[in-house]
Amino acid sequence: GAGVSQTPSNKVTEKGKYVELRCDPISGHTALYWYRQSLGQGPEFLIYFQGTGAADDSGLPNDRFFAVRPEGSVSTLKIQRTERGDSAMYLCASSLTATKSSTDTQYFGPGTRLTVL
Amino acid sequence: GQSLEQPSEVTAVEGAIVQINCTYQTSGFYGLSWYQQHDGGAPTFLSYNALDGLEETGRFSSFLSRSDSYGYLLLQELQMKDSASYFCAVVGKLIFGQGTTLQVKP
Repeated sequence: GAGVSQTPSNKVTEKGKYVELRCDPISGHTALYWYRQSLGQGPEFLIYFQGTGAADDSGLPNDRFFAVRPEGSVSTLKIQRTERGDSAMYLCASSLTATKSSTDTQYFGPGTRLTVL
Repeated sequence: GQSLEQPSEVTAVEGAIVQINCTYQTSGFYGLSWYQQHDGGAPTFLSYNALDGLEETGRFSSFLSRSDSYGYLLLQELQMKDSASYFCAVVGKLIFGQGTTLQVKP
């Protein structure tokens, strides 16, 4: 596609519910990243994929968070038993190459704003 | 620990030059990137330094000193549209600074 897309753009849910956030990276990009950004803060790394596998998930805050990329393209971030503290903008980015040390530019999607009531 | 420090806010007038500093503390350093983010928008890549020195891209330049663990973003001929948040980020660690909000005044 022309750019990274994320759906939904906004998600409002109740505490305790399960949510899925979707990311469509730029076609051909092998690396995909998930970040969380709170108001007035920088993006906080959650997880990144090389192809289908999670190369580094050290940023996932706890076991309620999980992400998959089964075919090496689209990725889904899944949050179980949501808490009010999960409310944030969730950003996805992709880059051409698949190493964390790569100098390739990360292209960010518009984000999904998650609100947990 | 690993961290990046940036000023939280900077204000400048249209047409001026502004410098946004970034100091970092991290292991496994591959380079320093800069991103711009307008309110409600996604971060967009501006510049990258892997080696010491100045990289120039139009009105924006970025500088890195690895020995000082320090870099800066220089914005020249400021325009109103440059009002945004600017983040430095360590390549290789996927760590972003807290961001500097730049306000450009007429």
